[in-house]
Amino acid sequence: AQKVTQAQTEISVVEKEDVTLDCVYETRDTTYYLFWYKQPPSGELVFLIRRNSFDEQNEISGRYSWNFQKSTSSFNFTITASQVVDSAVYFCALKETSGSRLTFGEGTQLTVNP
Amino acid sequence: KAGVTQTPRYLIKTRGQQVTLSCSPISGHRSVSWYQQTPGQGLQFLFEYFSETQRNKGNFPGRFSGRQFSNSRSEMNVSTLELGDSALYLCASMTGANTGELFFGEGSRLTVL
Repeated sequence: AQKVTQAQTEISVVEKEDVTLDCVYETRDTTYYLFWYKQPPSGELVFLIRRNSFDEQNEISGRYSWNFQKSTSSFNFTITASQVVDSAVYFCALKETSGSRLTFGEGTQLTVNP
Repeated sequence: KAGVTQTPRYLIKTRGQQVTLSCSPISGHRSVSWYQQTPGQGLQFLFEYFSETQRNKGNFPGRFSGRQFSNSRSEMNVSTLELGDSALYLCASMTGANTGELFFGEGSRLTVL
């Protein structure tokens, strides 16, 4: 069975601080996909990134960066110079090769204070 | 390009009633999946439809059902509502290729009284 763990339930930082959200996953599949989503108070899950299991290259998109380490089954997300607008719940998710079934972590509530 | 559209956004029902939620995927996307989000259980997969066929199903009772139309729009139905069905129901669309990205709608927030 697949499992995603986000150990940090809540994180509070001050604006301009860097913050890292942890994600650890379990799967028996050799091919799989990892996702990060942002959920603002409106409820919509906003897609941030998808990474397949064969691509361990780290990725940077503006202030966002992702560190995928297959050896430790982790896919961590870092926000550099956080802003108040980054306040939201962030979810890490795992998808098997076929279909669109996502297994989500519990989510991390990030609060960025001015 | 329009995103995933879910209707209604909010609704209130009473126990024993039934409800139908609608989801219009992104144009060209053939896969629609549904998720239930509650404070206690988090985000849980309900089912997925692809080309009008249910392709995958989560661990929910038979009161939860769905269907997909030829234009890829999908509906989910919950019959004999229980208080525990109060949740945010999210719909996601994907191109249909297994490796695609999933894009979510804003959800339908159901309250059961």
